[in-house]
Amino acid sequence: AQSVSQHNHHVILSEAASLELGCNYSYGGTVNLFWYVQYPGQHLQLLLKYFSGDPLVKGIKGFEAEFIKSKFSFNLRKPSVQWSDTAEYFCAVNDINAGNMLTFGGGTRLMVKP
Amino acid sequence: DVKVTQSSRYLVKRTGEKVFLECVQDMDHENMFWYRQDPGLGLRLIYFSYDVKMKEKGDIPEGYSVSREKKERFSLILESASTNQTSMYLCASSSRGRHAYEQYFGPGTRLTVT
Repeated sequence: AQSVSQHNHHVILSEAASLELGCNYSYGGTVNLFWYVQYPGQHLQLLLKYFSGDPLVKGIKGFEAEFIKSKFSFNLRKPSVQWSDTAEYFCAVNDINAGNMLTFGGGTRLMVKP
Repeated sequence: DVKVTQSSRYLVKRTGEKVFLECVQDMDHENMFWYRQDPGLGLRLIYFSYDVKMKEKGDIPEGYSVSREKKERFSLILESASTNQTSMYLCASSSRGRHAYEQYFGPGTRLTVT
């Protein structure tokens, strides 16, 4: 079965610092990859997705993620974080052999200090 | 905008009670999902449904059942609540086709079993 690892459980940054959150998955076949974000008190929402093509994908609010197939990774990046980026971030993987199901990582809580 | 609503934001139940969590989506989505969210564990799939009256077990179905009598509504049932079922429960929905992997989430129900 697919598993997803997010190695950073809690990250604290100052505003304007650069962000990189790690995500690794276990299955080496064809996958679709996602990052979801949950702002305090809000619904989980899609930040960005990768299905195929350019391995560097851009999402909302200046976030981007890079798919590196050889490393089974899909790390999330942002060059300069803002206080409003304080949230919990979840990486999710769809193994195409598993139909429409997503496997989620454990999440990373990001706190941005103003 | 897709809207997924859940019947309660907060629920407190006693051990042994039967608990119903309701989820309704308004976008005519075929797929619906129930997850539980626990700190450090991310989201774990309990059950999903790809059509009315159809259901599939997820990763942690034990102690839960589901019902989907109408396309827009998906219910999660705890037959006899236990303290280890204290958690945040999230409902999600998605369409079929190329957007099938993009799931839209409700606000969650925080269930406490005492």
